[in-house]
Formats: sequence, C-alpha cells, structure tokens
Amino acid sequence: NAGVTQTPKFRILKIGQSMTLQCAQDMNHNYMYWYRQDPGMGLKLIYYSVGAGITDKGEVPNGYNVSRSTTEDFPLRLELAAPSQTSVYFCASSGKGTSYSNQPQHFGDGTRLSIL
Amino acid sequence: AQKITQTQPGMFVQEKEAVTLDCTYDTSDQSYGLFWYKQPSSGEMIFLIYQGSYDEQNATEGRYSLNFQKARKSANLVISASQLGDSAMYFCATRILKGAQKLVFGQGTRLTINP
Repeated sequence: NAGVTQTPKFRILKIGQSMTLQCAQDMNHNYMYWYRQDPGMGLKLIYYSVGAGITDKGEVPNGYNVSRSTTEDFPLRLELAAPSQTSVYFCASSGKGTSYSNQPQHFGDGTRLSIL
Repeated sequence: AQKITQTQPGMFVQEKEAVTLDCTYDTSDQSYGLFWYKQPSSGEMIFLIYQGSYDEQNATEGRYSLNFQKARKSANLVISASQLGDSAMYFCATRILKGAQKLVFGQGTRLTINP
C-alpha cells in the first residue's frame, strides 16, 4: 500500500537554487496539504488543495508555490531557496471528514531539505 | 482561529506505567475533530486516535484512549501500560470539519519511556 509518496527524501540546495518536492497519493483523496516542520516544533501549513485545480495559502506560504493538475499529485516548488527554508517537509492527504466519520490526514515520510 | 496548546515539552515515564499527555484546544466552531499523532525518531507521522466534537464517548484504540472534556476544551491522550517503543514526539491537532479541514498542530510533547 503506497499511500502518500514523497520524493526526494533528502536534498541539499545552495542559496538561490530552485527545486520541486514531489507528492503523490493513491487513495483518491480530494484534500492534499504541504507542511513544514522546523526542529523541535510542530507542523505548520504551507499550502493546501481541496481538489484538482484548486489551491490556497496556509499559514507560511511565502517562498513557495504549488499546483494541482491531477487528484493524485501535489508538487511544492521553491523558487529561490533561502536558509530559512531549511526544514522537513511533509505532504498529507485526506478524505472529507464529518462530525461522525474519522478521516485522518495520511502523511508521507517527509523530505529533509537543507539550504546552504 | 483554532489553537492547540501542549504544555508538557517532555515527559519521562517508567515502562509499564500509564501516561497522560495534555492537550487543550481553542476553536470557535461547533463541529471539529481532535487528533493525536506519534512521530518516532525516524520522523514519520503516525495517526493514533480521533475524537469528533459530537462523540459522546471517549475514543479508544488499543492502548490509546482520548480523555475528551468538551467543557474544559481538553483532549488528553492516555497511553496505558507504556512500552519502550512508545518513546517519541506526540502531537495533538484539531481541524474544523468543513471547508478545507486544515489541521492545526500543537508544539508536541517528547515522551521518553525508561526501562
């Protein structure tokens, strides 16, 4: 069972470089999310999507961009890498929850990104 | 806006003892969910347990139970008969059950189980 797959697992970038973090899910979930986790901290929402073609900003969107052309894929783009973007990035997906149904977010294994 | 507060940065417990991890939340919506996730040293996020705001009974999943006190806005995680493998970071999170259903996480509690 693949679930949520993130690539790469590790990456080192130089300041000013760009890269795309890939995320794919095979659970036919409409909702997808990108978080970052700084050392010793909880997760903060960067961007999210409620379906193909629909994206919106989360709590910390500056320096990032996303797209959602298919239900399965939700890539995160860093255009001009900065040291402050050194973090662990998690992608997650979920179905639509209700008050009476349990729809937890399923997380990928994370991408550890260092900007030097 | 939603907020999660976890006031215990670290907890140390003897193996086989029960442990309670505290979580208080703040939300203006009537329909919400509360979640606990475990993050071992390997880094992945593991879903443990869920409580809906309209659930009248406390959620249980094996050795995990959620002590839900709605009036106090608390959702504490109770782990019974702790094991060495329970050593990890634990995050409480909440989301409103409408719209994008975004999760808001607390800062986490690092639990260490001593043999």
